[in-house]
Amino acid sequence: AQKITQTQPGMFVQEKEAVTLDCTYDTSDQSYGLFWYKQPSSGEMIFLIYQGSYDEQNATEGRYSLNFQKARKSANLVISASQLGDSAMYFCAMREANTGNQFYFGTGTSLTVIP
Amino acid sequence: DTEVTQTPKHLVMGMTNKKSLKCEQHMGHRAMYWYKQKAKKPPELMFVYSYEKLSINESVPSRFSPECPNSSLLNLHLHALQPEDSALYLCASSQVNAYEQYFGPGTRLTVT
Repeated sequence: AQKITQTQPGMFVQEKEAVTLDCTYDTSDQSYGLFWYKQPSSGEMIFLIYQGSYDEQNATEGRYSLNFQKARKSANLVISASQLGDSAMYFCAMREANTGNQFYFGTGTSLTVIP
Repeated sequence: DTEVTQTPKHLVMGMTNKKSLKCEQHMGHRAMYWYKQKAKKPPELMFVYSYEKLSINESVPSRFSPECPNSSLLNLHLHALQPEDSALYLCASSQVNAYEQYFGPGTRLTVT
C-alpha cells in the first residue's frame, strides 16, 4: 500500500488566490512526521513545512499552512496569496518513528500559477 | 548554516567511465542520504548512512558505490553506468532519527 498519496498530478491557480494541495498518508505508528517540499525546475528540494503527529495546532510558515486532520490521515498544504514563483512540483512526505531514517514521498503535484 | 552542497552540478559520462559525486554538510548531521530522481517523479531512496555506517541500501546495483569518509562528507562512486541511470541525484542530511531532512541542489547526470 502507498504510504503517501497525492491525487492531483497537476493544479492551476490564479495569482493572488489560495490553493490547497491534497495529501493522505497511511501508517499504523503513533509517532510520525509529515512534510511538504517544493521542487522548482532547478531541481533543489526546498523544505516548506513540518507537522508532527502529536502537534495539536496546524503548522504554519508564512504563506504556507498545513491542514492536519489526523483521524482522516490527511495533511493538505494550503498556499495563500499565490505568486508566480510558487509554480513548481510539490511533494508530501512522511517519516515514521519506527522505521529509522526512511522517508516516504508521494508522487507529487505540479502547481502552475497563472498571471 | 543549513546548507548541503553537491558537486558537480552537471555530469556527462560514458558507459565505460568512472566518476564520483560529492556531497558535503557542516550542520553536524550524522545521517546522510543518496536519492535518485527521474523527471516528474518523486525521489527514490538509494542509500542511508548513519554515524558513517551504511544503514540502508535499497537494492541498488553495484555500479553505484557509496562512501562516507567522515561525518561531513558523502560520495557516490559511479562505474559502468547505463543510459537509464541518467537522472538527478540528490543528497540529503539530517540528525539521526530526526524528522527534518535537508537536501542539496542535486547533480544532473547524463550517461551516454
